[in-house]
Amino acid sequence: AQSVSQHNHHVILSEAASLELGCNYSYGGTVNLFWYVQYPGQHLQLLLKYFSGDPLVKGIKGFEAEFIKSKFSFNLRKPSVQWSDTAEYFCALNSGGYQKVTFGIGTKLQVIP
Amino acid sequence: DTGVSQNPRHKITKRGQNVTFRCDPISEHNRLYWYRQTLGQGPEFLTYFQNEAQLEKSRLLSDRFSAERPKGSFSTLEIQRTEQGDSAMYLCASSLRGVEPYEQYFGPGTRLTVT
Repeated sequence: AQSVSQHNHHVILSEAASLELGCNYSYGGTVNLFWYVQYPGQHLQLLLKYFSGDPLVKGIKGFEAEFIKSKFSFNLRKPSVQWSDTAEYFCALNSGGYQKVTFGIGTKLQVIP
Repeated sequence: DTGVSQNPRHKITKRGQNVTFRCDPISEHNRLYWYRQTLGQGPEFLTYFQNEAQLEKSRLLSDRFSAERPKGSFSTLEIQRTEQGDSAMYLCASSLRGVEPYEQYFGPGTRLTVT
């Protein structure tokens, strides 16, 4: 069975600080990996995705994530956060040719001006 | 707004009653998904349709839950004999096969409260 672990459930940062949110997954085969974001009062939306190729993927709003296969990790990074990045971030995966997407528990990020 | 829409946005019901939710996907999307999200958790997959065919179904979807997509457009999710444990946000998502195959676009959700 596939699973996703997010290490930090609640992160508080000051504006301009660097961000790294941890994500590890459990699955032995080929995976597709995602980070979704949910801003307050809004729908879940895709931030970035990895299917194949370059393990460093860039998403919207200056976010990037690196797929490290040997560590089963897909950490999300941003060099300098803004107050508008306050949101909940979900790591997710699907695999095995199935459409089912498995989500992590989410990390609530609060950026203090 | 041409995104995924869900109705109603909120539903309060008494235990034992039946409820039905509707999802309208993005118009050209042929894939449709239902998820459930409880407080403090990420979304959990319930079921997936490609056109009108229900191709994947989670073990979370007990006999009291049924989903349909009769004409391959909108979908309904029905919960019979609701229980307090069914209280959750029910999310619908859609995607287009053949284009960005795994990018799912989510709707605003229907929040169900069972009293």
